[in-house]
Amino acid sequence: GQQLNQSPQSMFIQEGEDVSMNCTSSSIFNTWLWYKQDPGEGPVLLIALYKAGELTSNGRLTAQFGITRKDSFLNISASIPSDVGIYFCAGQRSGGSNYKLTFGKGTLLTVNP
Amino acid sequence: DVKVTQSSRYLVKRTGEKVFLECVQDMDHENMFWYRQDPGLGLRLIYFSYDVKMKEKGDIPEGYSVSREKKERFSLILESASTNQTSMYLCASSQGNANYGYTFGSGTRLTVV
Repeated sequence: GQQLNQSPQSMFIQEGEDVSMNCTSSSIFNTWLWYKQDPGEGPVLLIALYKAGELTSNGRLTAQFGITRKDSFLNISASIPSDVGIYFCAGQRSGGSNYKLTFGKGTLLTVNP
Repeated sequence: DVKVTQSSRYLVKRTGEKVFLECVQDMDHENMFWYRQDPGLGLRLIYFSYDVKMKEKGDIPEGYSVSREKKERFSLILESASTNQTSMYLCASSQGNANYGYTFGSGTRLTVV
């Protein structure tokens, strides 16, 4: 099945640094979602985006719905140790089944205190 | 809050055993999904169900079957477990339109020996 191109695959950063990750596709999406998975747990929804160009924040997290509708970005500012985990992007493709989400492979974030 | 509950966090089974993974959601969601998660491969869809007794194959259905006799419960069955089915299994549910995202359970870490 189709997957989104998510990068980077992994990141090792120092506490206090900012983080950026993104997802791209050749297809147009109606919805972009960002999830975080803590070690040993299931993914939890962080941010949902519904309009091209939309910029949404959740605390230190900011996500954007790309203007072309083919990409999305997630930024984490001033990282802390509890930001460790896997971050997934997901999208609902335009013209696809309305119950189906397409997922990226995830970005593994490690924060050194 | 929507809760998706997976019956076991950890399971160890022997090769050839029949294995049942159970998932229950409490928010009357139409759709339910089973994914497996392996390092470097992201989330891969095994099966999903959009209504009671209805099911569709995902990307990797071989070696698995599912059952949805009640709206709130979706079971994943490994007919004859094999070592290559050692993995993290995640159940998820969503409303009819997935643009609000999926809600995931905490996962079942299955080891087949």
